[in-house]
Amino acid sequence: DGGITQSPKYLFRKEGQNVTLSCEQNLNHDAMYWYRQDPGQGLRLIYYSQIVNDFQKGDIAEGYSVSREKKESFPLTVTSAQKNPTAFYLCASRGQGWNSPLHFGNGTRLTVT
Amino acid sequence: QQQVKQSPQSLIVQKGGISIINCAYENTAFDYFPWYQQFPGKGPALLIAIRPDVSEKKEGRFTISFNKSAKQFSLHIMDSQPGDSATYFCAAKLNRDDKIIFGKGTRLHILP
Repeated sequence: DGGITQSPKYLFRKEGQNVTLSCEQNLNHDAMYWYRQDPGQGLRLIYYSQIVNDFQKGDIAEGYSVSREKKESFPLTVTSAQKNPTAFYLCASRGQGWNSPLHFGNGTRLTVT
Repeated sequence: QQQVKQSPQSLIVQKGGISIINCAYENTAFDYFPWYQQFPGKGPALLIAIRPDVSEKKEGRFTISFNKSAKQFSLHIMDSQPGDSATYFCAAKLNRDDKIIFGKGTRLHILP
């Protein structure tokens, strides 16, 4: 089955630690995205990548980093500089074409205490 | 301004009624306006989408109305069903870019 795989579903970390969230896709999509979802805030764009070895900051990139070494993978690192890291993180990919939809994974819920 | 403003934040509708969710934008560089549906614990999934040169698009019980001059678009769910209870997000994509931004979402509850 083609799709987006995010792992793990739940992640717990202590404050001050960096943590990396995994996102893998087998849809052969060029573009990949990371969004953060908080209650009442909608989906806010963290980073997106249109092609391997290239990525752009979204609206809330501070405290996060990404890499895009392979087309299938777009891991997100939540660094200790992120002031409020506890959230639901969603990864998505998108095919070519101006009207191609986003395909989302089922998210990772990160809790930092 | 790269924002999409969505209202209402929450909505309760009787079964069989019409659910209406509204969105507004300012940036004329958007060229694609999708709506996504999200159930608890899941990622959002595309429901229906429209481009700015079309005033209305209908797919089954779901209709997007688009008013380019007012920079507004809305989702209408006809004959709303309890299974439609979910969170709905409008979104917009920048022309010649892959950046897609979302509204804050509307939690819809359909009373049985």
